[in-house]
Amino acid sequence: DTAVSQTPKYLVTQMGNDKSIKCEQNLGHDTMYWYKQDSKKFLKIMFSYNNKELIINETVPNRFSPKSPDKAHLNLHINSLELGDSAVYFCASSQSHTGGVFFGSGTQLSVL
Amino acid sequence: DQQVKQNSPSLSVQEGRISILNCDYTNSMFDYFLWYKKYPAEGPTFLISISSIKDKNEDGRFTVFLNKSAKHLSLHIVPSQPGDSAVYFCAALNPGGGADGLTFGKGTHLIIQP
Repeated sequence: DTAVSQTPKYLVTQMGNDKSIKCEQNLGHDTMYWYKQDSKKFLKIMFSYNNKELIINETVPNRFSPKSPDKAHLNLHINSLELGDSAVYFCASSQSHTGGVFFGSGTQLSVL
Repeated sequence: DQQVKQNSPSLSVQEGRISILNCDYTNSMFDYFLWYKKYPAEGPTFLISISSIKDKNEDGRFTVFLNKSAKHLSLHIVPSQPGDSAVYFCAALNPGGGADGLTFGKGTHLIIQP
């Protein structure tokens, strides 16, 4: 059973479109995250969501919005996609303050 | 502004020998450090961690050493095995706890030679 699962694995779309990436964790963790791995292979945090508290990295454009229907899910919505949004996006979760962050397998987004 | 640095993009080690991966950090407020292993087309997998109150943590073939005064940590893998070939990321937990996420280094590609 996959602990953190995200779909789709690959997403190819055109500039200007709106798309979503889904994430689910079955670890019972109370904190979920979205990370972006850019072309230089840096992993950078975009959002963390804990007990209905959303922490946003100020560098993330407001075209990106996380939505959490419940503790086990944190979906990423992206509006008006741009070429520079092409990257691999990783969902992750942790039990707050323990430090062990578990990652999904990533979604490769390609914007044409 | 890289707060977590892995200065070796790649490292080649013979099977059976010790692999030593290094990581430096600049933020003295980091209080927890982690190593992740990543295979191509997969997400990073948590490997081992260490709290800033310790200087060593061992788990099987993996040992992490922390030198707080030098702001340096290292991951030792002994003996190295072919399945250890992967990209290894050093990460530091931001002060304030897990909700703030992790700051990652750029990674070191470890290649285990037969």
